[in-house]
Amino acid sequence: ELKVEQNPLFLSMQEGKNYTIYCNYSTTSDRLYWYRQDPGKSLESLFVLLSNGAVKQEGRLMASLDTKARLSTLHITAAVHDLSATYFCAVDQNTGNQFYFGTGTSLTVIP
Amino acid sequence: DAGVTQSPTHLIKTRGQQVTLRCSPISGHKSVSWYQQVLGQGPQFIFQYYEKEERGRGNFPDRFSARQFPNYSSELNVNALLLGDSALYLCASSLAPGQPQPQHFGDGTRLSIL
Repeated sequence: ELKVEQNPLFLSMQEGKNYTIYCNYSTTSDRLYWYRQDPGKSLESLFVLLSNGAVKQEGRLMASLDTKARLSTLHITAAVHDLSATYFCAVDQNTGNQFYFGTGTSLTVIP
Repeated sequence: DAGVTQSPTHLIKTRGQQVTLRCSPISGHKSVSWYQQVLGQGPQFIFQYYEKEERGRGNFPDRFSARQFPNYSSELNVNALLLGDSALYLCASSLAPGQPQPQHFGDGTRLSIL
């Protein structure tokens, strides 16, 4: 079964700082998704990465995919409080929308 | 346009009971998937349905079953509830399987087993 691991599990960072969340997965796939979840809320789609070397950016977040290393990163630039949430990566094992989620990274941005 | 809608939002049951959760996909979406999210963990895939047929099943016991209706809405049934079934159950919809695309999630049904 496809395994997806994220690290760190918990991240506390000061406003204005940069940091990277890592997502490793165990089998070949070139479909990776990043989601955000606020407490008590559902999942919001952030990025769709569909090929090796794909890079997507939205505001202070940038996601990339290295399919050979089976690794995706979510980079946070100059963090602000509004980014506090749990971030999940999800891998689609090329079967079509059967997502395997990572463990999640709980991000807290401190003023 | 309405997003994915799920009902009920909250449900309390006791061990051994049965529960049915409902999901309506985004208009035009024909694929529906169900996920279980235990507190503090990522969602786990339960089922995927497309055109009323099961297209995938995760590692869940036979107590879990689902179906999809001609209007593409879906129900998830869980029999003989256990304490460990307490979780947030999420429904997600997409256009069709096989196409790389994000799934759109509903707000979920929070199921508590006493």
